[in-house]
Amino acid sequence: GQNIDQPTEMTATEGAIVQINCTYQTSGFNGLFWYQQHAGEAPTFLSYNVLDGLEEKGRFSSFLSRSKGYSYLLLKELQMKDSASYLCAVRPPNDYKLSFGAGTTVTVRA
Amino acid sequence: GAVVSQHPSRVICKSGTSVKIECRSLDFQATTMFWYRQFPKQSLMLMATSNEGSKATYEQGVEKDKFLINHASLTLSTLTVTSAHPEDSSFYICSAALIQGGGYTFGSGTRLTVV
Repeated sequence: GQNIDQPTEMTATEGAIVQINCTYQTSGFNGLFWYQQHAGEAPTFLSYNVLDGLEEKGRFSSFLSRSKGYSYLLLKELQMKDSASYLCAVRPPNDYKLSFGAGTTVTVRA
Repeated sequence: GAVVSQHPSRVICKSGTSVKIECRSLDFQATTMFWYRQFPKQSLMLMATSNEGSKATYEQGVEKDKFLINHASLTLSTLTVTSAHPEDSSFYICSAALIQGGGYTFGSGTRLTVV
């Protein structure tokens, strides 16, 4: 089965940094995705990690440790438009089905 | 990039009627399409996986006779909510697996309200 945990809510100030953690206990692993979802909209792709380490993409970075079943999404230089839900999703081996965490709602305050 | 067009974006229907939601892949062939349901402030819950030319695979607890999925071509998958009830009101999203690249592309979602 799949068990994916991430915090429910986080609040941060504009210009600050926020780190969203995701831990997973899954039957097999073949990659971890992070998505951003604004209310009433479909998720948009942020990052994909399949090997250990840090992937940096502009203001967003994602880290993976497969041995610890742990990932985080780092959002730097927060902007008001970053207020959204952030979803962690894991893909098992030999399957294209994604299992999603419950999502972390990030609120950016001025 | 790969785009999935989902229609309608919003629909209100009366209890007992059926609603069809379409997802079309515009510039690629979608062999596999995933259908999700999302209730307010909750995550995406996979309902079923549709494969072109074969029967859909439903997740546990999802009624296949109520949520009819058709994937008759490589560019079109449809979800029909039959005999809709107010508890079926939700946000429905389709997603196509991109075989090349390993990513996924999502439709824009359908907000279904059953009154």
